[in-house]
Amino acid sequence: DQQVKQNSPSLSVQEGRISILNCDYTNSMFDYFLWYKKYPAEGPTFLISISSIKDKNEDGRFTVFLNKSAKHLSLHIVPSQPGDSAVYFCAASADNAGNMLTFGGGTRLMVKP
Amino acid sequence: GAGVSQSPSNKVTEKGKDVELRCDPISGHTALYWYRQSLGQGLEFLIYFQGNSAPDKSGLPSDRFSAERTGGSVSTLTIQRTQQEDSAVYLCASSLSGRGGGETQYFGPGTRLLVL
Repeated sequence: DQQVKQNSPSLSVQEGRISILNCDYTNSMFDYFLWYKKYPAEGPTFLISISSIKDKNEDGRFTVFLNKSAKHLSLHIVPSQPGDSAVYFCAASADNAGNMLTFGGGTRLMVKP
Repeated sequence: GAGVSQSPSNKVTEKGKDVELRCDPISGHTALYWYRQSLGQGLEFLIYFQGNSAPDKSGLPSDRFSAERTGGSVSTLTIQRTQQEDSAVYLCASSLSGRGGGETQYFGPGTRLLVL
């Protein structure tokens, strides 16, 4: 049973437009949510995170929104750049379960010039 | 380098052989994690070491998998009697303390294991 789901395996966006990547979770014990970005042949790199006590966190072009009642979070990238093309993983952790991350299946973002 | 390193970067083995994968975490990080990514899948947690505490092995898929961490630093993931379904990218990550939710984990480049 997947506790973290990314229902869109891929997304294509024009350069300069907004990219919206979505993530749903089922475990109500999750209290931290993170987004990682992965280029081919490299390990994932941390992008942005949000605590369950917040509903929004912004860092430059990246904003993460959390809707706890819907168990849904999203990552907004604006404006999108070709260098943003990568696989994006949503991840969650529960403070009472150590620090291990539960990952979604990833969404491949392609930003076209 | 300052990042997490893993070796080998690629490993091809025959079914039934044992393999060892190595991870060097970031210096000073007390927490170390192993994940794997099978083809077309997300990352799956395997095992977690935090300081001198007993490791959390809850993610290991079978007793053919084991891991150790020597001296609180380098870790080795061992897969005995490999099977074709073990083929995946094995990723190691480390974090500063392993305590508190949401602590950033820093990932290595992974070891790509192919079992023929």
